[in-house]
Amino acid sequence: GAVVSQHPSWVICKSGTSVKIECRSLDFQATTMFWYRQFPKQSLMLMATSNEGSKATYEQGVEKDKFLINHASLTLSTLTVTSAHPEDSSFYICSATPQGATEKLFFGSGTQLSVL
Amino acid sequence: GEDVEQSLFLSVREGDSSVINCTYTDSSSTYLYWYKQEPGAGLQLLTYIFSNMDMKQDQRLTVLLNKKDKHLSLRIADTQTGDSAIYFCAEKGYSSASKIIFGSGTRLSIRP
Repeated sequence: GAVVSQHPSWVICKSGTSVKIECRSLDFQATTMFWYRQFPKQSLMLMATSNEGSKATYEQGVEKDKFLINHASLTLSTLTVTSAHPEDSSFYICSATPQGATEKLFFGSGTQLSVL
Repeated sequence: GEDVEQSLFLSVREGDSSVINCTYTDSSSTYLYWYKQEPGAGLQLLTYIFSNMDMKQDQRLTVLLNKKDKHLSLRIADTQTGDSAIYFCAEKGYSSASKIIFGSGTRLSIRP
């Protein structure tokens, strides 16, 4: 299947700093990418839908100024957690849909963020 | 609103078949998925089925869809220890921007 690379796999940062997470589709172009957050032993919560060349669409309750999303190319979307706080600690996962294959959704390996 | 429900736990004996069930509410769902998540990892797409199909088989995996009852199941034949994971059922509409709605996940454990 198609590969979605997510980096870093884990990151520890101090409270108040910003963290950037990258999501790349390695062997396909993705018009749309999605960002999820997953708490321990829970399902995935959709945070936002990232569209190449346009602003991201955020789900209700997700602060767009807190979670900055940039989808600058058809193979790269980034999520920046600004001024991170301990409550932002979570597992973040991205996913991407190949162009012309709207039924397929491939996931990155996730990023474990720990804010001290 | 849309909702996808699964039982939280399933325990099976190694070598037996596992059947994980899922129900959904959105009648306009076009695609229905099964994903596998191992600890600390992302989601691996196992298989998916179009809503106009009622069965799909892929090696040890069999997906059954009852569209009338909005019920989806995943059968894993000859369950192995490597099948231990959380299995997520999900549904999605047709367009690329359609949100995928996940169930809560079923934790499958294998006993010897």
